[in-house]
Amino acid sequence: GQNIDQPTEMTATEGAIVQINCTYQTSGFNGLFWYQQHAGEAPTFLSYNVLDGLEEKGRFSSFLSRSKGYSYLLLKELQMKDSASYLCAVMDSNYQLIWGAGTKLIIKP
Amino acid sequence: GAVVSQHPSRVICKSGTSVKIECRSLDFQATTMFWYRQFPKQSLMLMATSNEGSKATYEQGVEKDKFLINHASLTLSTLTVTSAHPEDSSFYICSAGKGITEAFFGQGTRLTVV
Repeated sequence: GQNIDQPTEMTATEGAIVQINCTYQTSGFNGLFWYQQHAGEAPTFLSYNVLDGLEEKGRFSSFLSRSKGYSYLLLKELQMKDSASYLCAVMDSNYQLIWGAGTKLIIKP
Repeated sequence: GAVVSQHPSRVICKSGTSVKIECRSLDFQATTMFWYRQFPKQSLMLMATSNEGSKATYEQGVEKDKFLINHASLTLSTLTVTSAHPEDSSFYICSAGKGITEAFFGQGTRLTVV
């Protein structure tokens, strides 16, 4: 079966760095996505990785290792507004998005 | 970026009635739109793939006669929850993409059936 694993909840301090991991097992691979979702709102797109390596976009970076079925989202200089759920999703060989359950990130002052 | 507009954002309806949710791509044509449901503290669950001009493709376990999808134009897809029951109360979200690397979400609709 297809499976996306990410931690249920993480806590970090304002101004610090946090890494949210995602491992996946899917039938085929056409890219991995990270989304941010604030409570009660729809997800917003953060990043897309299809090749191995690190993609940096401001305070957020996303890393992919296809051989390991592994990705992480790195958030730097954490702000209180970064408190949200972070969803990892993989596009399989049929171009369907397989979603992880999300990681709830709690930022403390 | 591209904009997907979903309406209404919140709706409360009585048990047994039907509710229609609209999803519009405002600045691009979307031949395919996706409908998701999300229960509290859970991930998005794909309900169906809506294809312009043809029948929607429903995921296993989703009743197509209960969740009617119409994709009549390249910018509009609708989801109608028929004969709604309290267990249908959920957050419904649509998405559309300009390409495989992009998925833009509507604002979501919070449905409460009383």
